[in-house]
Amino acid sequence: KAGVTQTPRYLIKTRGQQVTLSCSPISGHRSVSWYQQTPGQGLQFLFEYFSETQRNKGNFPGRFSGRQFSNSRSEMNVSTLELGDSALYLCASSVDREGTGELFFGEGSRLTVL
Amino acid sequence: GDSVTQMEGPVTLSEEAFLTINCTYTATGYPSLFWYVQYPGEGLQLLLKATKADDKGSNKGFEATYRKETTSFHLEKGSVQVSDSAVYFCALSEYNTDKLIFGTGTRLQVFP
Repeated sequence: KAGVTQTPRYLIKTRGQQVTLSCSPISGHRSVSWYQQTPGQGLQFLFEYFSETQRNKGNFPGRFSGRQFSNSRSEMNVSTLELGDSALYLCASSVDREGTGELFFGEGSRLTVL
Repeated sequence: GDSVTQMEGPVTLSEEAFLTINCTYTATGYPSLFWYVQYPGEGLQLLLKATKADDKGSNKGFEATYRKETTSFHLEKGSVQVSDSAVYFCALSEYNTDKLIFGTGTRLQVFP
């Protein structure tokens, strides 16, 4: 069974640009969450989606947005990139309709903003 | 808001030593508690969980008990191996959500 797949794995952008990251959950999983991991702030929750609906949102500015498609695949977008957005962005999926916190994580997309 | 505090690392141990990584939490409700592990070059993996007070989660020789009275969820292992070298994250989630609040992570280094 394939795991959570994130693309691209690495990318470099410059300030002011925008970026879209993609996540394919484990087959059969309908819940997708996104997290930002940085050395300074650690792991921080971005959003959680279930059946194309945002179920929860973290404390990030409106430049960070996401969506989920009918096949459960998810994308997140960051507009007007800032240097501080450099991070590892992790996607996670789970099977349960009611969130349980038991997440399966992808290996992440490492974003560098220059 | 809810938060998780775990001990600073790195924790450096010799093989077969006893491991404790401390974790305490602050939460308004009745969260579920987790330990996730990140091995070098790999993604985060769930190690163990506990959903209510006095529950003990266990996996791969690791154990942690949900202590409501001390708001703690300390990770223990009786005899660590070199292959246990990784970063360990304590986390909580509120009822019916996949929103995890993580601690800062503790790096464990085990030497032969």
